[in-house]
Amino acid sequence: NAGVTQTPKFQVLKTGQSMTLQCAQDMNHEYMSWYRQDPGMGLRLIHYSVGAGITDQGEVPNGYNVSRSTTEDFPLRLLSAAPSQTSVYFCASSSYGQGLSNEQFFGPGTRLTVL
Amino acid sequence: GESVGLHLPTLSVQEGDNSIINCAYSNSASDYFIWYKQESGKGPQFIIDIRSNMDKRQGQRVTVLLNKTVKHLSLQIAATQPGDSAVYFCADAFSGTYKYIFGTGTRLKVLA
Repeated sequence: NAGVTQTPKFQVLKTGQSMTLQCAQDMNHEYMSWYRQDPGMGLRLIHYSVGAGITDQGEVPNGYNVSRSTTEDFPLRLLSAAPSQTSVYFCASSSYGQGLSNEQFFGPGTRLTVL
Repeated sequence: GESVGLHLPTLSVQEGDNSIINCAYSNSASDYFIWYKQESGKGPQFIIDIRSNMDKRQGQRVTVLLNKTVKHLSLQIAATQPGDSAVYFCADAFSGTYKYIFGTGTRLKVLA
């Protein structure tokens, strides 16, 4: 199993450009999520999904869109990048529901710089 | 708003000593709590979790204690090793939504 994979690892954008951060998992996890981590801070939840076709907002959703068309993939879209979105982005997945281990497995991260 | 905070940003311990990392959470509805370890340049790695129907849970060299009365969580690492040097995060969630809230992290430094 590859676990959780993220692409790209590094990305530089200009203000106003759009892009999609890719995330995929091969563990058949229902729950997937996106976080951003700013220097010296913890992770903040952007969006999450509890299954294909279901998404919801986290703590800091503004400026980001998500969709979940398959169990495996959960892309994060920046429609018009801003310097405030410079951060490291982590994708995570886990089983979902009571009675199951909800251990989240994290991807290696995407380091995004917006100029 | 909801927040999870940590009392100490940096903790230095001698190799072989026990480490205790503390965390406070604010959401009374939270019923699931997790500790993560993050090494430089990597994603967080799950250490141990605990649900609100328990007040203590043990793993290999780690113990998590939960005090729901004062909304406090702690991670105890026994016989701390150089490989334990990392940033440790607590996180909490309500199992109805699983909207995780992370603390800002504590850096653990293990002194030889």
